[in-house]
Amino acid sequence: GIQVEQSPPDLILQEGANSTLRCNFSDSVNNLQWFHQNPWGQLINLFYIPSGTKQNGRLSATTVATERYSLLYISSSQTTDSGVYFCAFDPQGGSEKLVFGKGTKLTVNP
Amino acid sequence: ETGVTQTPRHLVMGMTNKKSLKCEQHLGHNAMYWYKQSAKKPLELMFVYSLEERVENNSVPSRFSPECPNSSHLFLHLHTLQPEDSALYLCASSRGQGPYYGYTFGSGTRLTVV
Repeated sequence: GIQVEQSPPDLILQEGANSTLRCNFSDSVNNLQWFHQNPWGQLINLFYIPSGTKQNGRLSATTVATERYSLLYISSSQTTDSGVYFCAFDPQGGSEKLVFGKGTKLTVNP
Repeated sequence: ETGVTQTPRHLVMGMTNKKSLKCEQHLGHNAMYWYKQSAKKPLELMFVYSLEERVENNSVPSRFSPECPNSSHLFLHLHTLQPEDSALYLCASSRGQGPYYGYTFGSGTRLTVV
């Protein structure tokens, strides 16, 4: 199956700093998405980003499908950004399944 | 609250017990999912229901038994579990069949098997 690698596995920032999280894939993927899981376990869908760039407030995401990677940018980080960020993809294209990466654990200190 | 409600939030059960996890959504979604999140491992898809029919069973042991009585409710019945089944169990729903329609997750049930 397709391998997905997220980097870095852990990231510690001071409030106000910017960061870039990365997801690399071993092959082309479908329906790529980014999620944030807060420290209480709640998973929130951030972006559906099969290709191109999207922005939502301080967050933006870029997927370069031909290069098999996706990036999540967090600008002016806040303590509420802490948690685990996952990328996920649909391995079969058009199915109901999502395969998740292992995540990047982000800690934003005040 | 995201619109997907899971109960209970925490559950401790013995290996011989029988318990059920409940998931409820009133978002008008017609697909529902169970995911398992173990420590240090990626989320794993367990079951998918679309229009109340099971469309995916991701090689899950029979000690986990899903039930979807209608499009708003999803259960996961548990019996004779093992300690390694301890995990966060997440329910999700989507408007259509597939990630394109966007997933909404519940807050999960933290299960501990003793």
